[in-house]
Amino acid sequence: DTAVSQTPKYLVTQMGNDKSIKCEQNLGHDTMYWYKQDSKKFLKIMFSYNNKELIINETVPNRFSPKSPDKAHLNLHINSLELGDSAVYFCASSPLRGDQFTDTQYFGPGTRLTVL
Amino acid sequence: DQQVKQNSPSLSVQEGRISILNCDYTNSMFDYFLWYKKYPAEGPTFLISISSIKDKNEDGRFTVFLNKSAKHLSLHIVPSQPGDSAVYFCAASAFGNEKLTFGTGTRLTIIP
Repeated sequence: DTAVSQTPKYLVTQMGNDKSIKCEQNLGHDTMYWYKQDSKKFLKIMFSYNNKELIINETVPNRFSPKSPDKAHLNLHINSLELGDSAVYFCASSPLRGDQFTDTQYFGPGTRLTVL
Repeated sequence: DQQVKQNSPSLSVQEGRISILNCDYTNSMFDYFLWYKKYPAEGPTFLISISSIKDKNEDGRFTVFLNKSAKHLSLHIVPSQPGDSAVYFCAASAFGNEKLTFGTGTRLTIIP
C-alpha cells in the first residue's frame, strides 16, 4: 500500500500552461506539505496544511496555489508555468501539526516537472 | 516499500556527548546521500552529504559515514548541543535519477 502518492510522476509541459500535481495520503495524517527540490538536490518547503488549513506559506510566486479538498489530499496548482519552475516537487504528510516538536514525515515519490 | 529507513523514531543524548543517527537503504543503485535537519514549523535544511565514492565526509561537528556493503549510513554529531534538537532526515538518490528518496526521520533531543 502506498502511503503518500503523487500523480503524475513525470510532467512535461510548455511555458505558459497551467498544470496540477495531485497528492494523496492514506495514513490518516493531519498535516501535509509541498516541497521543491532544486538542482542541487536541496529541499525547500513551499506550503503546509493542517486539516485543510494553511499553516506554512513560504515565499513562493502566487502562481503556485495549494488546494486541500480534504485532509487526505493536498494538490498543487501552478499557473503560467515558467522555465524556472522545472524541478522535482515532493508531497509529504505527518501525523502532527507542523509546529509540534515531533514531526516525522512521510514523503511521496516526487513529481519531476519539466517546463519547455 | 520503504527504500530508505530510519528505524529509530527518536533519540535522546546528553549535551556534550556524541549523537549517532542511523539510516539504512535497500536500493543498491543509490549513490548519493544527504542529511537534512528540521525544526518545527520550518522546512528541512540541508546538513551534509556524501557520495558513494567516499566512506566519510566531515563538516565541523557533523560527520557522515557510509558503509556501502551494509547499505548503511550514519550521522555523528559531536559534541551535541541543545540547538541540535530537531528531526533529522536521511535521503538518497541514484545516479542519473535526481529524485530523492527520504527516510521518515529521527527526532533527536539533546538533554542539557
